[in-house]
Amino acid sequence: QSVLTQPPSASETPGQRVTISCSGSNSNIGRNTVNWYLQLPGTAPKLLIYSNIQRPSGVPDRFSGSKSGTSASLAISGLHSEDEAEYYCAAWDDSLNGPVFGTGTKVTVL
Amino acid sequence: QITLKESGPTLVKPTQTLTLTCTFSGFSLTTSGVGVGWIRQPPGKALEWLALIYWDDDKRFSPSLRSRLTVTKDTSKNQVVLTMTNMDPVDTATYYCAAYSSNWYGFDFWGQGTLVTVSS
Repeated sequence: QSVLTQPPSASETPGQRVTISCSGSNSNIGRNTVNWYLQLPGTAPKLLIYSNIQRPSGVPDRFSGSKSGTSASLAISGLHSEDEAEYYCAAWDDSLNGPVFGTGTKVTVL
Repeated sequence: QITLKESGPTLVKPTQTLTLTCTFSGFSLTTSGVGVGWIRQPPGKALEWLALIYWDDDKRFSPSLRSRLTVTKDTSKNQVVLTMTNMDPVDTATYYCAAYSSNWYGFDFWGQGTLVTVSS
């Protein structure tokens, strides 16, 4: 029951830029910060972006986040083959009184 | 170094109760702002948040699963236990526990996950 909507897939060639959108509502993205998680095949999710734009230590600056109104975006520039993964957005939802995740976007490097 | 690891049965029968334990290290669940959450992921599907327990024993549950979930903590053992009653085949999923920060409202470290299959 994902509350945040993402495109199912995105693809681009190596070295190019890909952007993933995350659409929510006033009860989640509209009022709270957005986090992004990366999930490589067969592994647990890993924090990629927190508080809309912050990168944890060790995350390359090729990854960047933004937020506007009830939507957020993750951009990956200089795409590498190892960036092929599933990406999830997440935010606290004041109505549900808990965190909600996005539907997930599979990024393919052509 | 922060680590979390889930443990419990890999196979449960329909109607049974699932009990999963998250054993963690590298942080304390007595520290203000810290929590441990449970998230699941059915095969090929998206992440779904289940429950969250905070350092002060405040608890939050997914509204759709609230009636079936219990979460407790044992700070002396650095463990959090999730129970889910009346298991059904649709509950087949990989179950993750993760460290939660109230500072920025997210999960910063995740366990490796454990696949639980519900089948007779």
